[in-house]
Amino acid sequence: GAGVSQSPRYKVAKRGQDVALRCDPISGHVSLFWYQQALGQGPEFLTYFQNEAQLDKSGLPSDRFFAERPEGSVSTLKIQRTQQEDSAVYLCASSDPGTSGSPYNEQFFGPGTRLTVL
Amino acid sequence: AQKITQTQPGMFVQEKEAVTLDCTYDTSDPSYGLFWYKQPSSGEMIFLIYQGSYDQQNATEGRYSLNFQKARKSANLVISASQLGDSAMYFCAMRETLLTGGGNKLTFGTGTQLKVEL
Repeated sequence: GAGVSQSPRYKVAKRGQDVALRCDPISGHVSLFWYQQALGQGPEFLTYFQNEAQLDKSGLPSDRFFAERPEGSVSTLKIQRTQQEDSAVYLCASSDPGTSGSPYNEQFFGPGTRLTVL
Repeated sequence: AQKITQTQPGMFVQEKEAVTLDCTYDTSDPSYGLFWYKQPSSGEMIFLIYQGSYDQQNATEGRYSLNFQKARKSANLVISASQLGDSAMYFCAMRETLLTGGGNKLTFGTGTQLKVEL
């Protein structure tokens, strides 16, 4: 079946612009995660959804970052008034022990969106 | 203190040789899981292997094995019979169960860049 998809794959924004990044998780996956990966670093947790409920947003760096998953499937990460320090790859992941067939409940990652803020 | 420490920024290995990538972790949660992911230049994170804190035996998945030393809080990845296609970034990650209320988010290390040479 299809994996996690993200769009756009690349986004260039001028400082101060708003951007929206989309994530399509694996069909039926209940859990959805967003991570931010700066150049040369490991991914860092941003936020977590279980179905449509945002259960953890402790990793969002500022109130300029907002995520939603209104119908419990597709999610959008929005960054308002982008700054240069927002430049990073934004990774989306989904998981669900009930449907993945794996005992480990591992997260399945998308290819990421590379955001460059000029 | 860093939750996940990967002290090798880069490693080289000859094709067909074995290589060990180091990972140490820090947690007070008695129930945790350790993951290794591979990130090729395409950017997608690929799940390799999982070790649970209560697992009695070291995990193995094909050419991948995990040298889990709980008392030392280390979870080193061993890749046997290296192939050119193994060249990638490798990340160790931890999922803490009780401290995060079962939220399942991952904490990643900074990664090790592996280069397999002929």
